[in-house]
Amino acid sequence: GAGVSQSPSNKVTEKGKDVELRCDPISGHTALYWYRQRLGQGLEFLIYFQGNSAPDKSGLPSDRFSAERTGESVSTLTIQRTQQEDSAVYLCASSLIVGGEQYFGPGTRLTVT
Amino acid sequence: EDKVVQSPLSLVVHEGDTVTLNCSYEVTNFRSLLWYKQEKKAPTFLFMLTSSGIEKKSGRLSSILDKKELSSILNITATQTGDSAIYLCAVESRTGNQFYFGTGTSLTVIP
Repeated sequence: GAGVSQSPSNKVTEKGKDVELRCDPISGHTALYWYRQRLGQGLEFLIYFQGNSAPDKSGLPSDRFSAERTGESVSTLTIQRTQQEDSAVYLCASSLIVGGEQYFGPGTRLTVT
Repeated sequence: EDKVVQSPLSLVVHEGDTVTLNCSYEVTNFRSLLWYKQEKKAPTFLFMLTSSGIEKKSGRLSSILDKKELSSILNITATQTGDSAIYLCAVESRTGNQFYFGTGTSLTVIP
């Protein structure tokens, strides 16, 4: 595809349920990033993947958050036992190399009721 | 197709110079425009603009939105080497509450 895609675009879930968010990066991009943006706030870094290296998980807000990436392709962000404070837009971006220009997907808006 | 375009793609200036970064957009059902500074992996929020013609200012940085022209500018006066970064522009659409990011302007400030 031409750009980064994310699915679903919107997700409403009940508190306590698990959710899985998907990101398809631009083909050939080795770096992939997940961010969270709460209403009215700036981007909050969550995790990034670089090639086959172990991911940098320093930004994950709690152990309920985890992410995986298969090689240099699709990534999934999983949130277990969702809480209302998890409500936000979750953005994925990819870049050719770490530190390069990032191309963002449209985001997944998660609402936890 | 919704899109955000930033210019220039990259810029090299000397300390003390003033720079103007541009962001233009074609986004359905505009809600807000945001500017970020990205030095490493996590962009830092700078401004959120929702109203046309009202300048937002923070130190040497300022930004203004022109909804008629579907654009925004980010000005940095008296640049310093610490201003070297990628500056990202993003637009939020009310339709699906989606964000559209430009690819950024890479600014390098040399001593």
